[in-house]
Order: sequence, then structure tokens, then C-alpha cells
Amino acid sequence: GQQLNQSPQSMFIQEGEDVSMNCTSSSIFNTWLWYKQEPGEGPVLLIALYKAGELTSNGRLTAQFGITRKDSFLNISASIPSDVGIYFCAGRETSGSRLTFGEGTQLTVNP
Amino acid sequence: DAGVTQSPTHLIKTRGQQVTLRCSPKSGHDTVSWYQQALGQGPQFIFQYYEEEERQRGNFPDRFSGHQFPNYSSELNVNALLLGDSALYLCASSLVSEYEQYFGPGTRLTVT
Repeated sequence: GQQLNQSPQSMFIQEGEDVSMNCTSSSIFNTWLWYKQEPGEGPVLLIALYKAGELTSNGRLTAQFGITRKDSFLNISASIPSDVGIYFCAGRETSGSRLTFGEGTQLTVNP
Repeated sequence: DAGVTQSPTHLIKTRGQQVTLRCSPKSGHDTVSWYQQALGQGPQFIFQYYEEEERQRGNFPDRFSGHQFPNYSSELNVNALLLGDSALYLCASSLVSEYEQYFGPGTRLTVT
């Protein structure tokens, strides 16, 4: 089956720093989604990407759909303490609508 | 506008028992997907329901079954529970014509 490799596994940063994380796949995806999950809650959708090369922003978050369609990137600018959580990438196969998730990036922001 | 809701929040069952988890989709959504999230891992797709039919299935045994009702709500049933079934079970809803899935808070299942 398809696998998503998400890196880094964890990040410890100071408030105000920028953050970058990425996902790579062994197969092509038609859609990339980025989610954030906090303890005791379900994942919350942050950004959806639909076209290769697409760059989309949501406030301080910016995500890109890689041109090979096998990778995606998420950047967070000027991090704040409420950015703490686990960030997941998810890809949708070329057929169907099931999502395949990465292993997550645990983000810790020190005030 | 109500989001995705799931019940119960937590559940403790004994190995070999059966369990039913429930999900109500976001208002206006017609498709429900179920995911299993083990501790420290990303969600794994179990199956998806649309128009009361199983539309797509992940790599889970037949012990995992589901149902969708005419009001689009859904149930996940797991028979003959194993210790390894302990996980957070997430329900996500969407429109069949779109690919953005919105998750509920999950049901934490513990099998002892």
C-alpha cells in the first residue's frame, strides 16, 4: 500500500521562529491535506491542495503541493504557543477518496 | 452549525466482546469515513459509506463492519475484540463530490 513519510518527527522551537515540515510519498496523490491534532481531539483541517505546484495560505500557514505530486510542504511563520500540537499530512489516491496519513510532526513552541 | 459528533467519548471492553460506535456527520454532508488511530500514529482508513453502502475499504478484517442510515449517520461495529483494537476511532464526514474530510473528536476504545 501507499506510504507517507513525514519529517521531522518532532520539533522544539522558540516562539517567533518559522517552522517547515514535509511529506513524501512512494506514489502520486491527487489531493494533499494538512491537519492539526491536539490532545483528546480529532484532527482539524488546516489547508487543502488540489493541483501540482499549488501554493495556498491560511493565515500564518502556507502549504505547497509538490510538482512531482509525490510530496507536500507546510510552513508556519512566526510561531506562537497555540501552534503546539501534532501536524499530519494526508494524501488522496488517484482513485477513490480514502486518505492516507503521515506519522505526524509533534511541534513544541517555547514561549 | 453542528460539526461531526461521536459517541461515546470513552469505552472500556473486554477481549472477545463486541462494540458499536456512533457518528453524526456535519450538517449537509452525505459521506462518512471511519479511521483507527493507534497511540503515536497517524489515522488509518477503515472504510467509507455513501448512500448507505460501503464505498471503499481499507486493510481491516471482516470483524470491522459498518452501517449508514438514511439520515447519513453511521455506526462502526467491531466483533471479537482483540487487545490490539485499543485505539482512538475517528469519524470524518464530507460531501461525496469533494475531498475535504472533517473529523469528529473520536471515541477512545480500551480493550482489556
